[in-house]
Amino acid sequence: GEDVEQSLFLSVREGDSSVINCTYTDSSSTYLYWYKQEPGAGLQLLTYIFSNMDMKQDQRLTVLLNKKDKHLSLRIADTQTGDSAIYFCAERGDSGNTPLVFGKGTRLSVIA
Amino acid sequence: GAVVSQHPSRVICKSGTSVKIECRSLDFQATTMFWYRQFPKQSLMLMATSNEGSKATYEQGVEKDKFLINHASLTLSTLTVTSAHPEDSSFYICSARLVISGNTIYFGEGSWLTVV
Repeated sequence: GEDVEQSLFLSVREGDSSVINCTYTDSSSTYLYWYKQEPGAGLQLLTYIFSNMDMKQDQRLTVLLNKKDKHLSLRIADTQTGDSAIYFCAERGDSGNTPLVFGKGTRLSVIA
Repeated sequence: GAVVSQHPSRVICKSGTSVKIECRSLDFQATTMFWYRQFPKQSLMLMATSNEGSKATYEQGVEKDKFLINHASLTLSTLTVTSAHPEDSSFYICSARLVISGNTIYFGEGSWLTVV
């Protein structure tokens, strides 16, 4: 079945850039998402990208997609302490009602 | 603002009782909703796909008689955990697909269930 892999931990200093990486196996993935989960809270959609795009930028967030290598990354510029959370990469195919397949999440710790 | 609302956000119940969690799509109709479960420090695992007007589709290993899903209207899906046990304690979260925004999937706030 489909698989989504992420590194489990990332630690950065406040003000630096954070890059969270994700790889997936499903070549038919059409939509790729990044979600943020703060402690004790639900999932917050940060951004998403279609598989026919290479890059998407939204304020401090930049998503890069290498479809050939099935590699997705999320770059957070000027990382703040409020960015400390777990970041989930997820993918889904194009078929109308397919669910998301999630990675295990990357725990981002921002050091002041 | 939130497009998917989940209730209750936290619930504590006694072993052997049942508890219902509601998932509502706000201002849009969702023919399909998804229910996930998240154990502490783990990723989200799909439990079932909830289909309006028909039976839910359960993932392998999920007991359909224990986790009852009802999707009676286009804006409401419910998950009932029957005869709850402490090992059912978990974070349950639903999602729905908003077609008009490029098939973006939005999640509810999640429900923390503690069975004592």
